[in-house]
Amino acid sequence: RKEVEQDPGPFNVPEGATVAFNCTYSNSASQSFFWYRQDCRKEPKLLMSVYSSGNEDGRFTAQLNRASQYISLLIRDSKLSDSATYLCVVIYPSGTYKYIFGTGTRLKVLA
Amino acid sequence: DAGITQSPRYKITETGRQVTLMCHQTWSHSYMFWYRQDLGHGLRLIYYSAAADITDKGEVPDGYVVSRSKTENFPLTLESATRSQTSVYFCASGREGDEQFFGPGTRLTVL
Repeated sequence: RKEVEQDPGPFNVPEGATVAFNCTYSNSASQSFFWYRQDCRKEPKLLMSVYSSGNEDGRFTAQLNRASQYISLLIRDSKLSDSATYLCVVIYPSGTYKYIFGTGTRLKVLA
Repeated sequence: DAGITQSPRYKITETGRQVTLMCHQTWSHSYMFWYRQDLGHGLRLIYYSAAADITDKGEVPDGYVVSRSKTENFPLTLESATRSQTSVYFCASGREGDEQFFGPGTRLTVL
């Protein structure tokens, strides 16, 4: 089992739709969680941090479920410009800190 | 300017040659990372460094060498390049247990 797993997609949704991605992790000692966005052949860029209390930024909402060991990203009112790959990253201490990226979920928003 | 830079941005080399990819950050982040990303695939960690003079292997370290004599620099060397090392290489930096910031990437082709 991979330490961090994401559904690779692609998720094809129409403009204006709401779409949600999940990212499951296996290490219960995981401390920090983030969502990144990556456009084709560009560097990943931070989208949101994920807090225990949840985090909302405009149309984007990130949540953490420690009991079931997953994080989620909800995108409301999808725009064409939201088309990208969304990566989750989970961080846990193990001597030094370990940063584990998911393989990403590809989103295509269709006109 | 503050940030993380990589050089060169594009490199074409031949099998068997030694190649060094440079990474420089101005934030004094303790952690630095090297990833490779092959077309249509996720990020794979090559090496990381928790501090100057401390480096550790990632998922795919074979064929690569790193050093970190200064906090701000983290060069990656391919000792004898192979065609399988054709990829996009991303460098990243971050504070301990916190988000990572990625450089723009180096596109390496090994002929």
